[in-house]
Amino acid sequence: GNSVTQMEGPVTLSEEAFLTINCTYTATGYPSLFWYVQYPGEGLQLLLKATKADDKGSNKGFEATYRKETTSFHLEKGSVQVSDSAVYFCALEGGSNYKLTFGKGTLLTVNP
Amino acid sequence: DVKVTQSSRYLVKRTGEKVFLECVQDMDHENMFWYRQDPGLGLRLIYFSYDVKMKEKGDIPEGYSVSREKKERFSLILESASTNQTSMYLCASSSPGTAYGYTFGSGTRLTVV
Repeated sequence: GNSVTQMEGPVTLSEEAFLTINCTYTATGYPSLFWYVQYPGEGLQLLLKATKADDKGSNKGFEATYRKETTSFHLEKGSVQVSDSAVYFCALEGGSNYKLTFGKGTLLTVNP
Repeated sequence: DVKVTQSSRYLVKRTGEKVFLECVQDMDHENMFWYRQDPGLGLRLIYFSYDVKMKEKGDIPEGYSVSREKKERFSLILESASTNQTSMYLCASSSPGTAYGYTFGSGTRLTVV
């Protein structure tokens, strides 16, 4: 079946540091890949997505590239801000039933 | 923008009570989902629905049931609440085949005492 493995946190960075959160997946066929963000006390919001190999999703300074050869979709940001503090979830959508499979989430804390 | 609205942000219920969590979406999405979120376990799928009156079990359906009588509304029912059902419950909806992912509600934090 489908599965997503993302680096476990928590991750603590200083403002303006470089961020990488690793995500690898197992799936049959050609899944779509997503990063969701959950700010404190809220539901999940779509951050970015990629639907085919070598696609790069980007939003709010975050980027992730769909790497089929390494089955990875790592999230990066060049300079994090305090407001980026949140939980980040990697997810994939594959198969005929459009269910999303989520990683366990990575808590990011950015200190001033 | 699609909105997914969950009726309550916080609920406190007693053990053994029957609990209803309501979710409404306003963009005519076919698919709707209920997840629970627990620290260290991520999101786990309870039930999902492809269409009105259709439902399928997710990964952890035990102790839960669902109802979808109208396309826009998907209800999660805890038949007899127990303390191990204390959790954050998240509803989501999506439109199939577009690879747009899900739109989530803000969540309901349920405490069973």
